[in-house]
Amino acid sequence: DGGITQSPKYLFRKEGQNVTLSCEQNLNHDAMYWYRQDPGQGLRLIYYSQIVNDFQKGDIAEGYSVSREKKESFPLTVTSAQKNPTAFYLCASSTRGVSYNEQFFGPGTRLTVL
Amino acid sequence: AQKVTQAQTEISVVEKEDVTLDCVYETRDTTYYLFWYKQPPSGELVFLIRRNSFDEQNEISGRYSWNFQKSTSSFNFTITASQVVDSAVYFCALSEAEGAGSYQLTFGKGTKLSVIP
Repeated sequence: DGGITQSPKYLFRKEGQNVTLSCEQNLNHDAMYWYRQDPGQGLRLIYYSQIVNDFQKGDIAEGYSVSREKKESFPLTVTSAQKNPTAFYLCASSTRGVSYNEQFFGPGTRLTVL
Repeated sequence: AQKVTQAQTEISVVEKEDVTLDCVYETRDTTYYLFWYKQPPSGELVFLIRRNSFDEQNEISGRYSWNFQKSTSSFNFTITASQVVDSAVYFCALSEAEGAGSYQLTFGKGTKLSVIP
């Protein structure tokens, strides 16, 4: 089955630690995205990538980093510089990074900082 | 700058009632795309519909229908004869055709729908 997988589903981290969230897709999509969702809020874009080895900052990139070494993978690192990292993180992909293509979402990772 | 407003934070209805979820958007572009997504309790967003700014025809898909009105910048979503399985958070989103807004979706804050048996 084609789709997007994110792991782990739940993640706990101590303050001051970096943590990496995994996102893999087998849809052969060129574009991938990371969103953050806080309770009662919509999704906010952290980073996006339209092709391999290229990515751009979204609205709330501070304290996060990404890489795109393979088409199917777009891992997100939450660094210790992110002041309030506890949130639900969603990864998405689309055929191409153009406005009319719908984005397909993974199941999400819920990060809690202890 | 683009913006999406979903004024209804939470709605509760009894099963089989009809319910309309409101969405109002702001954009300076003449070409743009509107989307609705459903987020069930499992957390994964599910794409429901896309509409471009030049197509104001209403759309019906089973119990779901969408009313797009450019004159009021609204893209409302109606569920007819609601079912418990419709309980979810529903998001309206906007993407512009050009410029910085063309590579991202701007989401509203969502409307949580609870359908009571």
